[in-house]
Amino acid sequence: DAGVIQSPRHEVTEMGQEVTLRCKPISGHDYLFWYRQTMMRGLELLIYFNNNVPIDDSGMPEDRFSAKMPNASFSTLKIQPSEPRDSAVYFCASSFRQGQETQYFGPGTRLLVL
Amino acid sequence: QKEVEQDPGPLSVPEGAIVSLNCTYSNSAFQYFMWYRQYSRKGPELLMYTYSSGNKEDGRFTAQVDKSSKYISLFIRDSQPSDSATYLCAMSGYSSASKIIFGSGTRLSIRP
Repeated sequence: DAGVIQSPRHEVTEMGQEVTLRCKPISGHDYLFWYRQTMMRGLELLIYFNNNVPIDDSGMPEDRFSAKMPNASFSTLKIQPSEPRDSAVYFCASSFRQGQETQYFGPGTRLLVL
Repeated sequence: QKEVEQDPGPLSVPEGAIVSLNCTYSNSAFQYFMWYRQYSRKGPELLMYTYSSGNKEDGRFTAQVDKSSKYISLFIRDSQPSDSATYLCAMSGYSSASKIIFGSGTRLSIRP
């Protein structure tokens, strides 16, 4: 398996633009997680899905953020409109189960909002 | 107060030294304790995993959990330049519905 795949790897955009981040989890994993990592706040869980259904989105910072998982092999995280404070590295991770199960992380998308 | 506290470093030690990385936590419900390693511009990857209190050894790495003090440690013996990375502690509760809570990470540099 190629592991968790994320695209794009880098994104530079201007404030107010829509940003869409994409993720393909490891085949067979039932859980998918979106994290955001910054120097100030570390690794923060934004939202996670179980069998394509959003379970907990309490970490989503604002209504500007939305996430979907239309099928077991694809998820998107959308920011509309983007702001400079959204600049961070966004990681997608997947696992067989929640909690104590090992999470496998993708390489991340480095987002810079100007 | 954060649920998991971790000294961000950076920590710089000479090659061959013993490294000690630590985290404290406040939630007594945590039962599973993990250490992830993150190389520059990569995603975190699981390094060590322990359940409840005690020690676990894997090669040069030893993970230690003291639930009475709510304190976990990762020791690296005979440290190598390839160990230079950010180390994140992580923990979760017993329930399969428990989320994993990550520390902010400690940046470690091993000088040749």
